[in-house]
Amino acid sequence: DAKTTQPNSMESNEEEPVHLPCNHSTISGTDYIHWYRQLPSQGPEYVIHGLTSNVNNRMASLAIAEDRKSSTLILHRATLRDAAVYYCILRDKGLRDFGNEKLTFGTGTRLTIIP
Amino acid sequence: GAGVSQSPRYKVAKRGQDVALRCDPISGHVSLFWYQQALGQGPEFLTYFQNEAQLDKSGLPSDRFFAERPEGSVSTLKIQRTQQEDSAVYLCASSLVLGAGNTEAFFGQGTRLTVV
Repeated sequence: DAKTTQPNSMESNEEEPVHLPCNHSTISGTDYIHWYRQLPSQGPEYVIHGLTSNVNNRMASLAIAEDRKSSTLILHRATLRDAAVYYCILRDKGLRDFGNEKLTFGTGTRLTIIP
Repeated sequence: GAGVSQSPRYKVAKRGQDVALRCDPISGHVSLFWYQQALGQGPEFLTYFQNEAQLDKSGLPSDRFFAERPEGSVSTLKIQRTQQEDSAVYLCASSLVLGAGNTEAFFGQGTRLTVV
């Protein structure tokens, strides 16, 4: 599986934007970039995913570099509820063979929001 | 409910005891995954089902771990002769379709297993 590299931790002030970086220099052409987050004592929760173009949804935005070797998750206005571990994960299209459907988690970035 | 449901939420087992952890995926979801999460770590893949077929069990740590999904919906993860290193949160997730790179996975809240 192609690997991702994220900072271990980040801090941000409440109500300010947060940019969470992820490097994935060995990404393949069929890998989607997924972001999940895990709040304390909860299971991981889907945030956003994309392939080549930038993506926006109600939770966040995903900015993907032109060469796809890095991406940034953007929380436009952080709240205390956004304090969580954020995971950047590469997920193959899964159309060619089975077994690559799984999500492979790293250690993620622990985001602390300062009131 | 509409989400992935796991039971029990908490389980304390004496070393050597067998345990069974249940996962009710979202109705109609084809793919089902089990993960193990140790304290302070990211989830580690254990096994994957496509309907009732177990297509990948490469992450199961030993032959004491066994998972099944006999009718392609509810799944059970069984751990025999539990040991202290089995203490972890066990997470279940499901996805709607194959070719799942372009779809999200939905996770349950997990079962926290403590072996004493």
